[in-house]
Amino acid sequence: GQSLEQPSEVTAVEGAIVQINCTYQTSGFYGLSWYQQHDGGAPTFLSYNALDGLEETGRFSSFLSRSDSYGYLLLQELQMKDSASYFCAVRERNYGQNFVFGPGTRLSVLP
Amino acid sequence: NAGVTQTPKFQVLKTGQSMTLQCAQDMNHEYMSWYRQDPGMGLRLIHYSVGAGITDQGEVPNGYNVSRSTTEDFPLRLLSAAPSQTSVYFCASRDWAHEQYFGPGTRLTVT
Repeated sequence: GQSLEQPSEVTAVEGAIVQINCTYQTSGFYGLSWYQQHDGGAPTFLSYNALDGLEETGRFSSFLSRSDSYGYLLLQELQMKDSASYFCAVRERNYGQNFVFGPGTRLSVLP
Repeated sequence: NAGVTQTPKFQVLKTGQSMTLQCAQDMNHEYMSWYRQDPGMGLRLIHYSVGAGITDQGEVPNGYNVSRSTTEDFPLRLLSAAPSQTSVYFCASRDWAHEQYFGPGTRLTVT
């Protein structure tokens, strides 16, 4: 089977940096994705890590350590519009290399 | 491109009724999936398809059927609706790579 853990809530102020952690257990790991979802909306893709290390895309970065079964999403220069839920998702062998999602972390950005 | 489209946007069913949620994509993606999202929770994989004519079960398949007769369409059928199936349903598609594109969702209430 598989399981993913994320903090349920994170709060930060505008302009700050926040890190959202994800730990996972899976029997056939291919990679780790991150998605953003605003209230009432659909998830949108942010990043994907298949190999160890840091991937940077603008204000967002994602890190993976396969040996530790751990990853994180780093959001810099926080803006009010970053208030949303963030989900890590494992791409894994059991479901045709499909994605299994974590429970999500709700980020609130305060002025 | 319209991307991934879903119909209907909202639906109310009585216990025991059946219905089909429609999903279509115009990106010629081979992989399509159905997820359900309960309030304040992550997405759970219901069924997925790796190409026309090929479907398989995800994490929570009971009470649902799918078919994939064309690359574009991937309908989800609720056989006999139960209150426990009240949820938001998302359809997603991707090509061989990792980025999933989600539809806007169908909000289903079973009374």
